[in-house]
Amino acid sequence: GQQVMQIPQYQHVQEGEDFTTYCNSSTTLSNIQWYKQRPGGHPVFLIQLVKSGEVKKQKRLTFQFGEAKKNSSLHITATQTTDVGTYFCAANQGAQKLVFGQGTRLTINP
Amino acid sequence: ETGVTQSPTHLIKTRGQQVTLRCSSQSGHNTVSWYQQALGQGPQFIFQYYREEENGRGNFPPRFSGLQFPNYSSELNVNALELDDSALYLCASSLRSGGYTDTQYFGPGTRLTVL
Repeated sequence: GQQVMQIPQYQHVQEGEDFTTYCNSSTTLSNIQWYKQRPGGHPVFLIQLVKSGEVKKQKRLTFQFGEAKKNSSLHITATQTTDVGTYFCAANQGAQKLVFGQGTRLTINP
Repeated sequence: ETGVTQSPTHLIKTRGQQVTLRCSSQSGHNTVSWYQQALGQGPQFIFQYYREEENGRGNFPPRFSGLQFPNYSSELNVNALELDDSALYLCASSLRSGGYTDTQYFGPGTRLTVL
């Protein structure tokens, strides 16, 4: 079945530094969704990308969907301690099933 | 608007036992999906319920079963528990509108420990 690979698995940054996580698939994706899970919490939906080459911004967060719709990235500018958590990408396999990446755990040194 | 709720919050069972987890979907939502999240991993799709019927299933054995009720709430049942079933079980509700999977709103999860 469809798989999405996410790198890096862990990222530790100093507060104020930028952070990027990448999501890759060997097959063309119909869409990509991004979620954030705080420590001890549950995944919270951030955004969905559907179009080839799409770029969306939410304040300091920038989401991109590759031209071939096989990869995506989430970039955070000037991280803050509130950004701590695990970021997951997820893609549809059929209309019902969401396939999640392994996640990138972000920790921040204040 | 009420969010997704799950009960219980935590549960400890022994191997071979059976467990039932419950989920109340967000108001206005008609679809419930269940996920298993092992420690340090991403959520794994178990199955989805729509109109009280299973509507898509992941790679989980038949001892994982579920129900959806007319009020769209849902149960996840796991029989013959194994140690590897220890995980966070997440319920997510959404409003089916056709096409891609709609935005899923996750509940806080039930932490199941199998001893």
